[in-house]
Amino acid sequence: AQSVTQLGSHVSVSEGALVLLRCNYSSSVPPYLFWYVQYPNQGLQLLLKYTTGATLVKGINGFEAEFKKSETSFHLTKPSAHMSDAAEYFCAVTPTGGFKTIFGAGTRLFVKA
Amino acid sequence: NAGVTQTPKFRVLKTGQSMTLLCAQDMNHEYMYWYRQDPGMGLRLIHYSVGEGTTAKGEVPDGYNVSRLKKQNFLLGLESAAPSQTSVYFCASSEGQGARWGTDTQYFGPGTRLTVL
Repeated sequence: AQSVTQLGSHVSVSEGALVLLRCNYSSSVPPYLFWYVQYPNQGLQLLLKYTTGATLVKGINGFEAEFKKSETSFHLTKPSAHMSDAAEYFCAVTPTGGFKTIFGAGTRLFVKA
Repeated sequence: NAGVTQTPKFRVLKTGQSMTLLCAQDMNHEYMYWYRQDPGMGLRLIHYSVGEGTTAKGEVPDGYNVSRLKKQNFLLGLESAAPSQTSVYFCASSEGQGARWGTDTQYFGPGTRLTVL
């Protein structure tokens, strides 16, 4: 069965520092990959997704993620953290040919001034 | 264009009581989903619908029922609430064109925080 592992339930960075949120999936066939963000007291919204084509995907708010098949990873990065990036981030996968999305447990990002 | 809306935002129930959560979307999406979010567990799919008049079980369907009588609405019912159903419930919708392949983006409502005492 598909699974998604997000390393670190909490990540803390200083404002202006690099943000790196890790996501690994388990699948013999590469799935479709998503990152969603949840701001306090709100629903999830899509940051970016990988379906086909270029393995480096750019999303909203300066975030990007790279699909690495050999490492079964889809880590999320942002060069310079902003206070407004404080939120919970969810990595998600959908198996190729299926539509039931499987979500990771989430990583809460804290940004220190 | 309101997107996905959920009613109510908060609710407190006693064990054994029943309630219905309403989800509405104005994007003409075919697919709709109900998830529950619990700390450290991410989102888990309760039930979903691939079109008006259809419903199907997700990962954690026990204790819940759903109906999709109109394309824009997806109702989640708890017949006899239990403390284990204390959670935040999210409704989502997606277009459906890419859903069968797994590429759809899901659009989420703001959530309903339910406490069962």
